[in-house]
Amino acid sequence: QKEVEQNSGPLSVPEGAIASLNCTYSDRGSQSFFWYRQYSGKSPELIMSIYSNGDKEDGRFTAQLNKASQYVSLLIRDSQPSDSATYLCAVNIFGNEKLTFGTGTRLTIIP
Amino acid sequence: GAGVSQSPRYKVAKRGQDVALRCDPISGHVSLFWYQQALGQGPEFLTYFQNEAQLDKSGLPSDRFFAERPEGSVSTLKIQRTQQEDSAVYLCASSLEGRVAFFGQGTRLTVV
Repeated sequence: QKEVEQNSGPLSVPEGAIASLNCTYSDRGSQSFFWYRQYSGKSPELIMSIYSNGDKEDGRFTAQLNKASQYVSLLIRDSQPSDSATYLCAVNIFGNEKLTFGTGTRLTIIP
Repeated sequence: GAGVSQSPRYKVAKRGQDVALRCDPISGHVSLFWYQQALGQGPEFLTYFQNEAQLDKSGLPSDRFFAERPEGSVSTLKIQRTQQEDSAVYLCASSLEGRVAFFGQGTRLTVV
């Protein structure tokens, strides 16, 4: 079992709809959770960080964390074509600075 | 500069050649990381520095890979005797200790 798992997609969502991206992790010592967006040929760009159970909203983006279920998700409201990218889930384990990434979910927003 | 800077952006190496990849982190960032990203995969951790100290090199795939950060700022990732399986994008990231990591644009290495 991979430490961080994501559905690789592709996930296609109509413009204006809600895109839902999911991630599960295996290490219960995980304490910090991040969503990075990566356009093709570009470097990962931080979208959201979340550290405690519940929801965290920032503009059109909402991150949700459920530590009991070892599950973190990203919702993108009012999806735009510019949201088309690969979304990487990353986890940081307590006492360890490094990030462990999932393989990423490729999201396509259909105009 | 305002962000993490990596050079070169692209490198083509013949199999067996040595390469050196440079990372210039955000000024003042204590932590520096190297990751390797194969096509269609997420970044995989290689090594981590806190200032000039290499605290974790557990992700380096073989003894052909070596990283240094002698003055606690610029870092170099060196790959000796490159092999085709070394072809990937090498990403550098920096952060204030315990904070969010910011990535550079990466160096795409192609071994032919």
